[in-house]
Amino acid sequence: AQRVTQPEKLLSVFKGAPVELKCNYSYSGSPELFWYVQYSRQRLQLLLRHISRESIKGFTADLNKGETSFHLKKPFAQEEDSAMYYCALMGKGAQKLVFGQGTRLTINP
Amino acid sequence: DTAVSQTPKYLVTQMGNDKSIKCEQNLGHDTMYWYKQDSKKFLKIMFSYNNKELIINETVPNRFSPKSPDKAHLNLHINSLELGDSAVYFCASSQALGDGYTFGSGTRLTVV
Repeated sequence: AQRVTQPEKLLSVFKGAPVELKCNYSYSGSPELFWYVQYSRQRLQLLLRHISRESIKGFTADLNKGETSFHLKKPFAQEEDSAMYYCALMGKGAQKLVFGQGTRLTINP
Repeated sequence: DTAVSQTPKYLVTQMGNDKSIKCEQNLGHDTMYWYKQDSKKFLKIMFSYNNKELIINETVPNRFSPKSPDKAHLNLHINSLELGDSAVYFCASSQALGDGYTFGSGTRLTVV
């Protein structure tokens, strides 16, 4: 079974502080992992995916197969990072994204 | 040009009514999806179509019926609406398996 867990429903940090949004997954094979972001009153947007190894808006995420984690990190949070963040998994050959419960990130000035 | 567009954005209706939500994508993608986001913001897949063919049908009441007239459109019809159907419904599309999705802006359905 494919499952994604985001243990923090809410996360609040101060501007300029480091941010880490946790994501753990359960899948027996090699999954594709994604982070999506939903800013207030906007649609869900793809933030990054693990195979591209990009840094988008200063965010990075590393797939740790040993810990089955894909935590999202940013060294210095900005107010515009306040949003809902979803971690998602797609199993090999699967045809759907399975989402975590989401973490609402608030950056305080 | 909006890539994935849904109409309407908001829908308020009474219990027992039948309603439809439309989705169109102009990206040339082969696969389209419907997701439901509940009041706790949890996103769960409902249906997926690939080139007009149903490929995923999660455990969804049969009051929900998707229809894909062509690969650019995926509509969702809901019969006999219930209070528990109140949610935000998102349409999405992807070019191929393993690709990221492009989402529509959502349809907030409120059943009263």
